[in-house]
Amino acid sequence: ETVVTQSPATLSVSPGERATLSCRASQSVGTNLAWYQQKPGQVPRLLFYGASTRPTGIPARFSGGGSGTEFTLTISSLQSEDFAVYYCHQYNDWPGGTFGQGTKLEIK
Amino acid sequence: EVQLVESGGGLVQPGGSLRLSCAASGFIFSTYTMNWVRQAPGKGLEWVSHISLSGTDTFYADSVRGRFTISRDNAKNSLFLQMNILRLDDTAVYYCAREFDGTFDVWGQGTTVTVSS
Repeated sequence: ETVVTQSPATLSVSPGERATLSCRASQSVGTNLAWYQQKPGQVPRLLFYGASTRPTGIPARFSGGGSGTEFTLTISSLQSEDFAVYYCHQYNDWPGGTFGQGTKLEIK
Repeated sequence: EVQLVESGGGLVQPGGSLRLSCAASGFIFSTYTMNWVRQAPGKGLEWVSHISLSGTDTFYADSVRGRFTISRDNAKNSLFLQMNILRLDDTAVYYCAREFDGTFDVWGQGTTVTVSS
């Protein structure tokens, strides 16, 4: 099973600043990597698939990158609504794949 | 509007059973593979089960294989999860999720399953 590790566990950033979240897979997953955002009390929302493809409606301030075992999610200028928990998800091991443990993005 | 609505959660004793349902609307249900994903209290996401378009092929996480059964009724736009021999560590919010290219692009609001004596 491919293990997915996210870092840091918690990231404190001020509104307007840039945030970079990391995700590492224990073996290559190509670009079969997705990111989800989950706000408190809400359902997970797909932010990226194919490591860097944004579904319709995801703001351009979000960007995803990487391939193989190293991936990043960058938010260029944090808005108040961006503070949430972010999960990466490798789906190279189909079906289902595995999720990272999450990174909590909190207001500094 | 694309929507998934789960139901059937509740409080059950260890060893008991529950059947979860998920009603789909706003899209052609029979053209999407479907999944169940769960989230234990305060924890991350865990994939539980997958079902093919026709329901012929099913897959399970090791943690639930042999105890849970996924099924679907395309005529009624519905997905199900029969959960037997429930354990304390099955306590979670269970989400019905539509699959898109291996990812989960539409999620229901979740239904809470609590296993406790």
